[in-house]
Amino acid sequence: DGGITQSPKYLFRKEGQNVTLSCEQNLNHDAMYWYRQDPGQGLRLIYYSQIVNDFQKGDIAEGYSVSREKKESFPLTVTSAQKNPTAFYLCASRRTSGVETQYFGPGTRLLVL
Amino acid sequence: QKEVEQNSGPLSVPEGAIASLNCTYSDRVSQSFFWYRQYSGKSPELIMSIYSNGDKEDGRFTAQLNKASQYVSLLIRDSQPSDSATYLCAVNLERGSTLGRLYFGRGTQLTVWP
Repeated sequence: DGGITQSPKYLFRKEGQNVTLSCEQNLNHDAMYWYRQDPGQGLRLIYYSQIVNDFQKGDIAEGYSVSREKKESFPLTVTSAQKNPTAFYLCASRRTSGVETQYFGPGTRLLVL
Repeated sequence: QKEVEQNSGPLSVPEGAIASLNCTYSDRVSQSFFWYRQYSGKSPELIMSIYSNGDKEDGRFTAQLNKASQYVSLLIRDSQPSDSATYLCAVNLERGSTLGRLYFGRGTQLTVWP
């Protein structure tokens, strides 16, 4: 089955702690994206990557970091600098040729203890 | 400022009716338009994509695009309670960009009552 997996489904963060959200895809997509969704809000772009070892900041990158060491994987770290991390985090991917359709993983809900 | 605007709703229609969801966007050169459906607590799933002016039909769903008016809509015919969800409009607002970045509206919450 091809698709995008995210783990964990729920994640709890303590004050001052860094946490990492996993995103893996086996669709052979080149581009990957991280979004944040707050209740009643649209999706806001955190980071995106078109190729391995390269990524760009989105609209709300402060307090987050990413890496793209493998085509299949695009983990997101929520650092202690992110003061309001409680949200639903969505990973997406797409091919870089042809249309821009993005496909989403199931999401990770991050809560602060 | 790149913007995608949607009626926030909520929109409530009876079962069997036509639900009409609207979206406007700020950049006249936008080329790609998408509608996603998001059930509560779940991730968005693609329903329709449209690239040319006019209508595109897929089952009970019809997407309508008018680039001159910078307007894209989604019609759901014979609405079912299972259509109750939030519908997100997404637009590629960057001319000539290969980054494939999409800008999302805040979504319209639709409720279909039996």
